[in-house]
Amino acid sequence: EDKVVQSPLSLVVHEGDTVTLNCSYEVTNFRSLLWYKQEKKAPTFLFMLTSSGIEKKSGRLSSILDKKELFSILNITATQTGDSAIYLCAVAPGDSGTYKYIFGTGTRLKVLA
Amino acid sequence: EAQVTQNPRYLITVTGKKLTVTCSQNMNHEYMSWYRQDPGLGLRQIYYSMNVEVTDKGDVPEGYKVSRKEKRNFPLILESPSPNQTSLYFCASSFAGGSREQYFGPGTRLTVT
Repeated sequence: EDKVVQSPLSLVVHEGDTVTLNCSYEVTNFRSLLWYKQEKKAPTFLFMLTSSGIEKKSGRLSSILDKKELFSILNITATQTGDSAIYLCAVAPGDSGTYKYIFGTGTRLKVLA
Repeated sequence: EAQVTQNPRYLITVTGKKLTVTCSQNMNHEYMSWYRQDPGLGLRQIYYSMNVEVTDKGDVPEGYKVSRKEKRNFPLILESPSPNQTSLYFCASSFAGGSREQYFGPGTRLTVT
């Protein structure tokens, strides 16, 4: 059975801290892994990773994928209260031509001022 | 403005009363999908559509129907809602092939009593 597991489930940090969120997966025919940020509304896209070892960066956020060990991490440096959200990891598995996504349960991050 | 819209945003209904949640996107996306989000379970895919007249089941399709008669619209139908379908529902869309970044609608909070 395809599955995506995120850890930790929740995390409380102070502004300025650096956090690392984890996403491990077991899926057939991996195609891509995506990270989303969900505040009190719809998820918004952060990164898509398809190749192992290549870091994606956007400001204070970065992510990397390890296809051999089947995991990805999302790093947030110099955290701010606006980073407080649920971070979702999703994997697109299956044969070419299918578009089925598996989401993890998310990591709830709270950043204290 | 590029967006995915859902209606209604909030709905309280009774067991067995058929309902439809509409989803529309203005980005000419081929791919559309429905998810439900429940505490502790994350986002779970209900159905998806790769293009007009092409739909397939996600992980939790029981009790739901979909249709894709036009590229922009992807309604979710609950023929006989039950209390276990009380949830937050999201519609999402993306281009097919290459990037799999999904754009999410604002969500529909459904309560079935």
